[in-house]
Amino acid sequence: GAVVSQHPSRVICKSGTSVKIECRSLDFQATTMFWYRQFPKQSLMLMATSNEGSKATYEQGVEKDKFLINHASLTLSTLTVTSAHPEDSSFYICSARDEATSSYNEQFFGPGTRLTVL
Amino acid sequence: TQLLEQSPQFLSIQEGENLTVYCNSSSVFSSLQWYRQEPGEGPVLLVTVVTGGEVKKLKRLTFQFGDARKDSSLHITAAQPGDTGLYLCAGGEYGGSQGNLIFGKGTKLSVKP
Repeated sequence: GAVVSQHPSRVICKSGTSVKIECRSLDFQATTMFWYRQFPKQSLMLMATSNEGSKATYEQGVEKDKFLINHASLTLSTLTVTSAHPEDSSFYICSARDEATSSYNEQFFGPGTRLTVL
Repeated sequence: TQLLEQSPQFLSIQEGENLTVYCNSSSVFSSLQWYRQEPGEGPVLLVTVVTGGEVKKLKRLTFQFGDARKDSSLHITAAQPGDTGLYLCAGGEYGGSQGNLIFGKGTKLSVKP
């Protein structure tokens, strides 16, 4: 149980284009999902908390218009990197809480998406 | 702002050796999780500790939560090359409404055969 998928696993795009990353909870419903960014050899940096049916909560310093988050259903959240630039190249990871069974903030992570902007 | 200091940042040992990774904070956490991440993959949850003084064992891994719920340790006995990876501790924000986790900076463990 508690499986989270992400698609695509890798994406290469040209500067100025937009890229959408999907995060799905496969066997549970998640009202809250999280989007992280990870630089090489570093820990996870929380970008935003995605809430089903309402606006995402962004961490300080994360541009809302740059990183669009849509939590369309209880099993799907999407992150769209708009007008991507080389500095947006990174490893993006989503996670979800299985609120039906988890009482202690455990998050289950997707496999990540490697974004490379040329 | 709650912070988690994780140490050491890097650890390179020989197969069969023991090691301990530490996570420390001046803040109290409602819970603490340990994750392991391999290159190019997402973190995988190893354990959750919630009670002060709690000890949990997962085969050769022993996890302990401090009495005051401000610190935690991960001890690996007789490390194997398969233990190689990035170990992350993460604390549940006390009173946080959205279940946010505060992550340590990670310990990159390399176990050489």
